[in-house]
Amino acid sequence: ETGVTQTPRHLVMGMTNKKSLKCEQHLGHNAMYWYKQSAKKPLELMFVYNFKEQTENNSVPSRFSPECPNSSHLFLHLHTLQPEDSALYLCASSQTSGRAKNIQYFGAGTRLSVL
Amino acid sequence: ILNVEQSPQSLHVQEGDSTNFTCSFPSSNFYALHWYRWETAKSPEALFVMTLNGDEKKKGRISATLNTKEGYSYLYIKGSQPEDSATYLCAFLNSGGGADGLTFGKGTHLIIQP
Repeated sequence: ETGVTQTPRHLVMGMTNKKSLKCEQHLGHNAMYWYKQSAKKPLELMFVYNFKEQTENNSVPSRFSPECPNSSHLFLHLHTLQPEDSALYLCASSQTSGRAKNIQYFGAGTRLSVL
Repeated sequence: ILNVEQSPQSLHVQEGDSTNFTCSFPSSNFYALHWYRWETAKSPEALFVMTLNGDEKKKGRISATLNTKEGYSYLYIKGSQPEDSATYLCAFLNSGGGADGLTFGKGTHLIIQP
């Protein structure tokens, strides 16, 4: 148990659906991250939030919409996704970002399939 | 675009043997190098964060070295055990402006055979 919980663990959605991924951390961290892992590719950074403010959007399409209402919760809202968006989505948190060397703590991920 | 390469992609090792694998990263604008261990169906778990050239870190039977001038890090496992089977990821953090998130390699998938 890493202290970072992601729900749901598995999600199947159609291209016209709207769904949300949820991440919650119980570690008192101030920075949260979304990563994507597609088949045979490395983990790819999507978004970074520091003290609830988005500090990085790694050229992610607008059909992915993050939300960070407080330092403990991070959401990824999904709408009109494409089949190529099928992937494992990982959430992580760390004590702080901003050039920090701090360890990131990961959730177990949400396996998303877009039909 | 930052390029982090790990080799080999996969590795089969006999139980009790020692092994090592490599992570290559850009030698310019270095800030930190992370190693993570990722077991199937679990979360990636941090092993080491390395920041200084010549750093050596150790955790039980696992150790890592860092050469920032030539842009590589080695991970060593001594006396491999079945529970060491996992994917080992390295991740690079650069000193330039921009993302605070990590740039990952594809990982080395290690299988320990009893």
